Amino acid sequence: SAVISQKPSRDICQRGTSLTIQCQVDSQVTMMFWYRQQPGQSLTLIATANQGSEATYESGFVIDKFPISRPNLTFSTLTVSNMSPEDSSIYLCSAARGRGDTQYFGPGTRLTVL
Amino acid sequence: GIQVEQSPPDLILQEGANSTLRCNFSDSVNNLQWFHQNPWGQLINLFYIPSGTKQNGRLSATTVATERYSLLYISSSQTTDSGVYFCAAEGAQKLVFGQGTRLTINP
Repeated sequence: SAVISQKPSRDICQRGTSLTIQCQVDSQVTMMFWYRQQPGQSLTLIATANQGSEATYESGFVIDKFPISRPNLTFSTLTVSNMSPEDSSIYLCSAARGRGDTQYFGPGTRLTVL
Repeated sequence: GIQVEQSPPDLILQEGANSTLRCNFSDSVNNLQWFHQNPWGQLINLFYIPSGTKQNGRLSATTVATERYSLLYISSSQTTDSGVYFCAAEGAQKLVFGQGTRLTINP
């Protein structure tokens, strides 16, 4: 298994500002992902974080709004830019050792935008 | 893309009861995973089960890939089993999550 930590665990932000969420895995992994979970909803994949190259975004998510970095095999960041109340969600990082392997999730970042 | 449907959406049981949660998926999948999200939001991987049957304590899961469904069995429920259970199917190299089953176990 993999142990994943996220910072911050929660935050309350003002409209128009940006927040960067950090994800740290305790061992090297091939795959890292970012998900959004809106209140009372299921998980939606935002993007796959690729080490050393641009992230692969899912339909409906764009790099200008959700820039992602992955400088190495254990760390990634997600920035939520120019926030609005509609961005209030839980943002979760996950990791898998290889493509198609079991995914392990971090504890999530609970974001509230006022 | 692949569609994942879970049933029932909500389930309320007394402690000690057994339950069966169902997950249907619309296409062939490379793998199928079950997760439990506890009341604090943490997602725990329960099973990685593209086919066949697995058991872990009071929980077991069966996936019949040819018929495109998976079942999660919980026996002798405890209050700590409460939360949302998600199944997720991998298609096109990404996991697609169902809407979840919210399980409430009353003492």
